[in-house]
Amino acid sequence: QQQVKQSPQSLIVQKGGIPIINCAYENTAFDYFPWYQQFPGKGPALLIAIRPDVSEKKEGRFTISFNKSAKQFSLHIMDSQPGDSATYFCAASSGSNYQLIWGAGTKLIIKP
Amino acid sequence: DGGITQSPKYLFRKEGQNVTLSCEQNLNHDAMYWYRQDPGQGLRLIYYSQIVNDFQKGDIAEGYSVSREKKESFPLTVTSAQKNPTAFYLCASSIQASQPQHFGDGTRLSIL
Repeated sequence: QQQVKQSPQSLIVQKGGIPIINCAYENTAFDYFPWYQQFPGKGPALLIAIRPDVSEKKEGRFTISFNKSAKQFSLHIMDSQPGDSATYFCAASSGSNYQLIWGAGTKLIIKP
Repeated sequence: DGGITQSPKYLFRKEGQNVTLSCEQNLNHDAMYWYRQDPGQGLRLIYYSQIVNDFQKGDIAEGYSVSREKKESFPLTVTSAQKNPTAFYLCASSIQASQPQHFGDGTRLSIL
């Protein structure tokens, strides 16, 4: 019940396309859902996060869609660029617990 | 520049040897964390500390030890009891537990 399942494992998209990465969870106590971006040899960087009181959040070209009833959330990258090529991780936590539960990651490649 | 500094970037361990990974932050964050990252997997929590002189085991604490004598420092020792230490180790901090986590650029540990 503590797992966060992330898919796909890898994704290749042409420049300008809209890659979509999906995550699903079981624990209904989760109330914080961040996405992190990681480049090779670097630590993850917080990209965008959402709480379950909203169904969508946008920051620049990045959008999180959240479906509370389905217990799923996804990351969309609009007008994708080669510089967006990285590994993306979703995560979840509950207010009563410090611990972030991480998805396994999606390696995204944007082809020029 | 505020941030999290991990050192060294690369570290090699001989059989039966303990090694210590450094993590220093100047963000004035109360909470600090150590994660292990293996290829194709999400981050797994080793230890976390919510406040100076206090720390708790995460999911995979066996073979590791930590100390938190100063707010800005949270060193991780990989002991000889950790039989499979080869991994990328990431340190993170947050203002308080359950707040967004910020990461250092990691230490890659290998066995000689």
